[in-house]
Amino acid sequence: GEDVEQSLFLSVREGDSSVINCTYTDSSSTYLYWYKQEPGAGLQLLTYIFSNMDMKQDQRLTVLLNKKDKHLSLRIADTQTGDSAIYFCAETAGAGSYQLTFGKGTKLSVIP
Amino acid sequence: DTEVTQTPKHLVMGMTNKKSLKCEQHMGHRAMYWYKQKAKKPPELMFVYSYEKLSINESVPSRFSPECPNSSLLNLHLHALQPEDSALYLCASSRQDSTEAFFGQGTRLTVV
Repeated sequence: GEDVEQSLFLSVREGDSSVINCTYTDSSSTYLYWYKQEPGAGLQLLTYIFSNMDMKQDQRLTVLLNKKDKHLSLRIADTQTGDSAIYFCAETAGAGSYQLTFGKGTKLSVIP
Repeated sequence: DTEVTQTPKHLVMGMTNKKSLKCEQHMGHRAMYWYKQKAKKPPELMFVYSYEKLSINESVPSRFSPECPNSSLLNLHLHALQPEDSALYLCASSRQDSTEAFFGQGTRLTVV
């Protein structure tokens, strides 16, 4: 079955880099996503990566994918207090599959 | 317009009440979703509509009744709910050929 694992908490100092890790089990996953959820709010799609890529960069965000180890990471450079939120990793089997399987979420706390 | 709008933002209802949650998007997306999110948990898929037809029902109790009156609107009708149904209800939409889902801010539902 599908399973997505994340560490539950991460604490970093403002200005440092944050790295949030995720592992998944479904080898047929074709898209992997990172969502951000601030307290009391909905989910904001941050970025995604297609399974035939190993890296994607978008401004302060860098996504690394190790398909062999089924490991996904999100690096946030120059972390700011506004980055404090819960970050969910999610996978899907791709086009035609509407099933997004979410990890339990990593709560990022940024210390001023 | 890249927004998914949900109303109301907060709802308190008794176990004998009937209420409806509403969701609207104008991105031309033909897939729309309802998710339920309990505190400190990831979202769980409830329903998927594809081209205004129900395509996935994740064994949701019949006290939750979805409706898709047109391609921009998605409703969730609630009747005879239980206190354990209290949660954040999230609506999302995506293109038919994509799982890149855009989420609304959610309705925080409390059943008393």
